[in-house]
Amino acid sequence: NAGVTQTPKFQVLKTGQSMTLQCAQDMNHEYMSWYRQDPGMGLRLIHYSVGAGITDQGEVPNGYNVSRSTTEDFPLRLLSAAPSQTSVYFCASSYGFNQPQHFGDGTRLSIL
Amino acid sequence: AQSVAQPEDQVNVAEGNPLTVKCTYSVSGNPYLFWYVQYPNRGLQFLLKYITGDNLVKGSYGFEAEFNKSQTSFHLKKPSALVSDSALYFCAVRDILISSGSARQLTFGSGTQLTVLP
Repeated sequence: NAGVTQTPKFQVLKTGQSMTLQCAQDMNHEYMSWYRQDPGMGLRLIHYSVGAGITDQGEVPNGYNVSRSTTEDFPLRLLSAAPSQTSVYFCASSYGFNQPQHFGDGTRLSIL
Repeated sequence: AQSVAQPEDQVNVAEGNPLTVKCTYSVSGNPYLFWYVQYPNRGLQFLLKYITGDNLVKGSYGFEAEFNKSQTSFHLKKPSALVSDSALYFCAVRDILISSGSARQLTFGSGTQLTVLP
């Protein structure tokens, strides 16, 4: 049982480039979310989904897009990378939004 | 709006001594409360949660937390700390009140680095 799998683990981008962070879970969880973790700021919610075809914005959605075409996958797209998006990104999933979340091991992203 | 405060960035404790990591929260309705732990270069791992019922919640690895509604606190505790407990700990809250607007979102505190000294 793989749990929540994030790829890539590390990525360096140049300002203005776009990319997609992948997230997949094999637990048939309906609720999935993306967070960014910055020093001293904890985790901040970027976008979340309560099921296939349904997404909503979190606390810091600007500069990011998501889609949820299947229960298993929830990719995060950076449209035009900026240095302020340098961070560690975590994907999480759970049966519902009041259930414990299962986290991936993160993607460490640097924007030059 | 909902919020969480972890007033201590760093907590140091000697191995074998009791530990406490503090958390206070603010919600419009009643809270769902969680504690997570993060080891270096890993994602967060669930420790325990409070939904309703007994104010003392027991979780993984010998940790427990006490819900105090009057003080709006949910402090994490362990009777006897281990060196292996050294990690970053996060408190998180969600408002039960659906009409609060943020009820589907989990809000995390800024984290407390726990160091257990041998």
